[in-house]
Amino acid sequence: DAGVIQSPRHEVTEMGQEVTLRCKPISGHNSLFWYRQTMMRGLELLIYFNNNVPIDDSGMPEDRFSAKMPNASFSTLKIQPSEPRDSAVYFCASSPLRDTEAFFGQGTRLTVV
Amino acid sequence: RKEVEQDPGPFNVPEGATVAFNCTYSNSASQSFFWYRQDCRKEPKLLMSVYSSGNEDGRFTAQLNRASQYISLLIRDSKLSDSATYLCVVRGNTGKLIFGQGTTLQVKP
Repeated sequence: DAGVIQSPRHEVTEMGQEVTLRCKPISGHNSLFWYRQTMMRGLELLIYFNNNVPIDDSGMPEDRFSAKMPNASFSTLKIQPSEPRDSAVYFCASSPLRDTEAFFGQGTRLTVV
Repeated sequence: RKEVEQDPGPFNVPEGATVAFNCTYSNSASQSFFWYRQDCRKEPKLLMSVYSSGNEDGRFTAQLNRASQYISLLIRDSKLSDSATYLCVVRGNTGKLIFGQGTTLQVKP
């Protein structure tokens, strides 16, 4: 199994631009998570999907952030417009069931200048 | 109050030492518990699940106290390769997976 696949691995963009991060979960996994990690705030849960349906988006910082999961094998996290304070590592993770561990992708390192 | 709280450390210990990490969680309906390890600039990876009866995996022992909402990890005979950040993780009854801030361990020769 290829594991959770995220793209791009690195993204540098200018303030005000739209950024789209992509995630392919492990096949057969029902839950998908998007996290953001910074030194100051640690690993923050942004949104959690179960069977492609958003269950909890209380961690999404503001309206500039949106996430979709159109099918079981693909999810996107979009930031529009991006700001320098959005600079962080964004992780996607998936898990097979609602009470099991999650497996992480390698992350996308986002820098907004 | 954070949903999962850990002492951020850092813990600096010599090789061979025993070190313990603690964690508390606020949601009494939480169902599953884990310890993850994260190396610098890498993704978090599962170290071990935590069961109510306590469980051991080699040099690592995890304990759960549901009444006190407390989780612990004990590392015996520390190795240089154990240097990393250890993350306490709680999964609630909705399936939401919440990470603590992490505890940094540095094992020195």
